[in-house]
Amino acid sequence: GAVVSQHPSRVICKSGTSVKIECRSLDFQATTMFWYRQFPKKSLMLMATSNEGSKATYEQGVEKDKFLINHASLTLSTLTVTSAHPEDSSFYICSAPDRGASGANVLTFGAGSRLTVL
Amino acid sequence: LAKTTQPISMDSYEGQEVNITCSHNNIATNDYITWYQQFPSQGPRFIIQGYKTKVTNEVASLFIPADRKSSTLSLPRVSLSDTAVYYCLVGFDKLIFGTGTRLQVFP
Repeated sequence: GAVVSQHPSRVICKSGTSVKIECRSLDFQATTMFWYRQFPKKSLMLMATSNEGSKATYEQGVEKDKFLINHASLTLSTLTVTSAHPEDSSFYICSAPDRGASGANVLTFGAGSRLTVL
Repeated sequence: LAKTTQPISMDSYEGQEVNITCSHNNIATNDYITWYQQFPSQGPRFIIQGYKTKVTNEVASLFIPADRKSSTLSLPRVSLSDTAVYYCLVGFDKLIFGTGTRLQVFP
């Protein structure tokens, strides 16, 4: 089945630095990828939709300049948390949609990246 | 986008059947219902998807009544490893997560 690889799985950084998270679709092409954020014991919150070759679409309330998303190829999307602060500490998860037999989207998720900002 | 409502938590014992119901009163005509399972510190995993009536695969069944305003995920004979959070999502392209149901299976 479809596999999405996400790296790094854990990252610790100092406040003010930037962190890049990569999401790759290994055996299929993804023109779209979704980026979610999850706080402890909370649900996933959709942050943005990355589109290959064009600008990402951000959800209301998500800072575009804080969370830079690039979708440079059909198999790679990246999320860069710029000038990270402790409140950016969270679990970030990417997913790529694949059309199921019905035609509706079935999401394949990466393993997630836990960011801790000191 | 259709909003979903699920119980916050459920408890069960090993070997029992567990049914988790999700309400989605404003589901659109072209929306599908998809269930995901998530373990701590992992990405969600697809369980099952359906549009109407009943869908069954090797791990679960999904029951959808004719009005499609709700759906029930049925997990037969749960084990300890089924302890997880289960999410019901409704949509076709963009999928928004609701609160999910935290299932705890006891020995």
